[in-house]
Amino acid sequence: QKEVEQNSGPLSVPEGAIASLNCTYSDRGSQSFFWYRQYSGKSPELIMFIYSNGDKEDGRFTAQLNKASQYVSLLIRDSQPSDSATYLCAVYTGNQFYFGTGTSLTVIP
Amino acid sequence: SQTIHQWPATLVQPVGSPLSLECTVEGTSNPNLYWYRQAAGRGLQLLFYSVGIGQISSEVPQNLSASRPQDRQFILSSKKLLLSDSGFYLCAWSVLLWLEAFFGQGTRLTVV
Repeated sequence: QKEVEQNSGPLSVPEGAIASLNCTYSDRGSQSFFWYRQYSGKSPELIMFIYSNGDKEDGRFTAQLNKASQYVSLLIRDSQPSDSATYLCAVYTGNQFYFGTGTSLTVIP
Repeated sequence: SQTIHQWPATLVQPVGSPLSLECTVEGTSNPNLYWYRQAAGRGLQLLFYSVGIGQISSEVPQNLSASRPQDRQFILSSKKLLLSDSGFYLCAWSVLLWLEAFFGQGTRLTVV
């Protein structure tokens, strides 16, 4: 079983819509959770981190964590074409980060 | 502010040749340092991490090695590259192990 699983997509949403990205993890002892955005050919850049159950908002982005169900999600409101990228979910478990394989998002103008 | 530098950006090397990739961090002391590899269409794979000078933990047995000769310098090496070593190599740093990691620009290595 993979530590972190994401739907690979591709996910397509129209400009201005809400994009919803989901991630599940296997270790209940996981401590911290991250979302990274990776444009094609570039390195990942941090978007959000969340440590506690509930929602965390930062601009157009909202991270949601549910430790009981072992999932973390990212909502992108008012999606823009510039949001088109691969989104990586990362979970800190034990002594290292585990990354999902990413969800490809395309925002259609 | 903290910055991370990684070079070169791209590299084409023949099978059997040596490898040396370098990463340096500025603006922070005693960072945790990481080397990841991302193969095409696959997730990030942790190769090595270091919590201090001379302290290297290896996560995947392979023909790669890492060294940390200075507090903010992390080097990935190989004596003889294999075709399977091709990929996107990323250096990253964090303040503490469980806090967010920040990535360098990456090195795209093609072994031919």
